[in-house]
Amino acid sequence: AQKITQTQPGMFVQEKEAVTLDCTYDTSDQSYGLFWYKQPSSGEMIFLIYQGSYDEQNATEGRYSLNFQKARKSANLVISASQLGDSAMYFCAMTVSNFGNEKLTFGTGTRLTIIP
Amino acid sequence: EAGVTQFPSHSVIEKGQTVTLRCDPISGHDNLYWYRRVMGKEIKFLLHFVKESKQDESGMPNNRFLAERTGGTYSTLKVQPAELEDSGVYFCASSQSQRTYEQYFGPGTRLTVT
Repeated sequence: AQKITQTQPGMFVQEKEAVTLDCTYDTSDQSYGLFWYKQPSSGEMIFLIYQGSYDEQNATEGRYSLNFQKARKSANLVISASQLGDSAMYFCAMTVSNFGNEKLTFGTGTRLTIIP
Repeated sequence: EAGVTQFPSHSVIEKGQTVTLRCDPISGHDNLYWYRRVMGKEIKFLLHFVKESKQDESGMPNNRFLAERTGGTYSTLKVQPAELEDSGVYFCASSQSQRTYEQYFGPGTRLTVT
């Protein structure tokens, strides 16, 4: 079974600063994917970034990057130059390759608040 | 291209009543997933359809929950009879066969059982 741990229930960050959201995972599978989703107050889940377990380089998408440290089983999300619109819940998730069934296992989330 | 849609956005029902949630995936997406987030807890997988077939329903909590996917298009999730612990947000997600890891989520249905 897979497990995702997010140890920061809430974070407050000054606007324009960089922020790191922690995520550790546990799985015995060698092939897996790691995800970050953003959930603003409106409720929808927005896909931010994906990292495959065999990807050697850290994934980046605009201001988002995933700091993938395989040996430590961590997949932290880094948001550079934070903006007020970044205030939201952030979920780390993972899936293991299982013949096309990519069901996601989620962490409990981190509520990020950007302070002007 | 339209995204994943869910109806209703919010439902309030009494314990013992029946509720049916609907999900319309992105057109052409064969994979459809249901997830649920109970207050304060993590989002949990409920089940997975490939077209009209249930691929994995290991996350369904009990037999009060029934999911269907008519003709491989939209899906419904019926809760009958509803209990207080069923309250939460129910998400639907869909993905293409070729990019199964890229799941697109709907806005969710907030279910409140009183």
